[in-house]
Amino acid sequence: EAGVAQSPRYKIIEKRQSVAFWCNPISGHATLYWYQQILGQGPKLLIQFQNNGVVDDSQLPKDRFSAERLKGVDSTLKIQPAKLEDSAVYLCASSYLGTSQGGYTFGSGTRLTVV
Amino acid sequence: GENVEQHPSTLSVQEGDSAVIKCTYSDSASNYFPWYKQELGKGPQLIIDIRSNVGEKKDQRIAVTLNKTAKHFSLHITETQPEDSAVYFCAAGAGSYQLTFGKGTKLSVIP
Repeated sequence: EAGVAQSPRYKIIEKRQSVAFWCNPISGHATLYWYQQILGQGPKLLIQFQNNGVVDDSQLPKDRFSAERLKGVDSTLKIQPAKLEDSAVYLCASSYLGTSQGGYTFGSGTRLTVV
Repeated sequence: GENVEQHPSTLSVQEGDSAVIKCTYSDSASNYFPWYKQELGKGPQLIIDIRSNVGEKKDQRIAVTLNKTAKHFSLHITETQPEDSAVYFCAAGAGSYQLTFGKGTKLSVIP
């Protein structure tokens, strides 16, 4: 089966600019997650979708971050305006069983550098 | 919420030796404990997982042990090879909630 697709792979922007990331999960996976991975740290959850509904966005900085999953398939994560501390790898993951019990499949991530 | 601590942060072993990485978790409701391997420029890849009704699980050179009473679990890699060099993450989760990850261990296998 095809893996989780993410684009772009790399992005460099200036602070206060906006940026968007795209994710296409594995076909049939109902649950989709966006994680932020700062250099040298483990992934930290930003938002979890079940189909096209939000399950948990408690750690999403809603003043600047937004995410959507239209039609329960692809998802986009947006940052506006970006700050220097947003420099990180943004990982998308999906899960078939819709729970953590089934494990995740991660995409390769988008490396964001804010200068 | 859940908190996962992982040690050591870096580990160097000679090729052929064993490597052990340890994690502790705080939420007694957690019942699923996966391990991920992340190579440079790639996303984390699931290598093995264990559930709370099992104390140990083995897959070739990789094994995971779980002590629910003490709230800790460990990854054991035997007969290490250079291709085992990567960053390893432990994680903990329960039910339909998301996984909480440790900070990672950078494993270097010296030929």
